[in-house]
Amino acid sequence: QKEVEQDPGPLSVPEGAIVSLNCTYSNSAFQYFMWYRQYSRKGPELLMYTYSSGNKEDGRFTAQVDKSSKYISLFIRDSQPSDSATYLCAMSADNTDKLIFGTGTRLQVFP
Amino acid sequence: DTAVSQTPKYLVTQMGNDKSIKCEQNLGHDTMYWYKQDSKKFLKIMFSYNNKELIINETVPNRFSPKSPDKAHLNLHINSLELGDSAVYFCASSTYGEGSYNEQFFGPGTRLTVL
Repeated sequence: QKEVEQDPGPLSVPEGAIVSLNCTYSNSAFQYFMWYRQYSRKGPELLMYTYSSGNKEDGRFTAQVDKSSKYISLFIRDSQPSDSATYLCAMSADNTDKLIFGTGTRLQVFP
Repeated sequence: DTAVSQTPKYLVTQMGNDKSIKCEQNLGHDTMYWYKQDSKKFLKIMFSYNNKELIINETVPNRFSPKSPDKAHLNLHINSLELGDSAVYFCASSTYGEGSYNEQFFGPGTRLTVL
C-alpha cells in the first residue's frame, strides 16, 4: 500500500463545475500538505499548501486537511478549461524536505 | 529568467550507455533534488543535496550518481542504462530549514527514453 493514495481519474467536467480532488494517506507524521498542478509536458508547480489541519482558500481554490481521517481535498470553483491538468497531492513530515506524492488526478474541463 | 533549468529536454539512448542530465537554478536556493516520474505520473524523490552535501538518498540503484559542483548545480549521471530507467526526471530546488515548509520549485523535466 502506498503512503499516499490518489484516484488517477481522468475526471472530466464541464466549464463552471465545482471540482473535488482528494487524497488519503497512512503516515500520521505528515504535517505539511501540498497541491501541485502539472500541465502536460511541464514540471509541477505549487498551487497551495496547508500546515496541519484546517482550510485554506486562494481565489477559486480551497484546500482542506482532516488529519483525524488522514484525508485532504482540493476544491476548484467555477472550473475553467485552463484548469485542465494533472493535480498532485504531496505531503511531508516535520524536519524533512522529503515530499511524498500521490499518483496525480488528471482533470479535463471542457467548454 | 528561467528559475530551474535542465538539459537536455529529451534524451534517447541505447541500453547499456552512460548519460548525464544537468540542472541549474538561479533562485539562490541551497537545496536541490532529483525526482523520477514514471509513465503513470508517479513522482518519487531520488536524491537531495544541501550545500553540496547529500541529504536524501532513496533506494536508488548505484548506477545513479548525483554530483553537486556548487549550490546552483546538481547533475545526475546514469551508468549502464536499462529499459526501466525510461521516465521523466525532474530537478527541483528550495531553501532549507527544518521545522518549516520550503516550497520546491521544479524544472521542466528531462524525458529519457532507453531503447
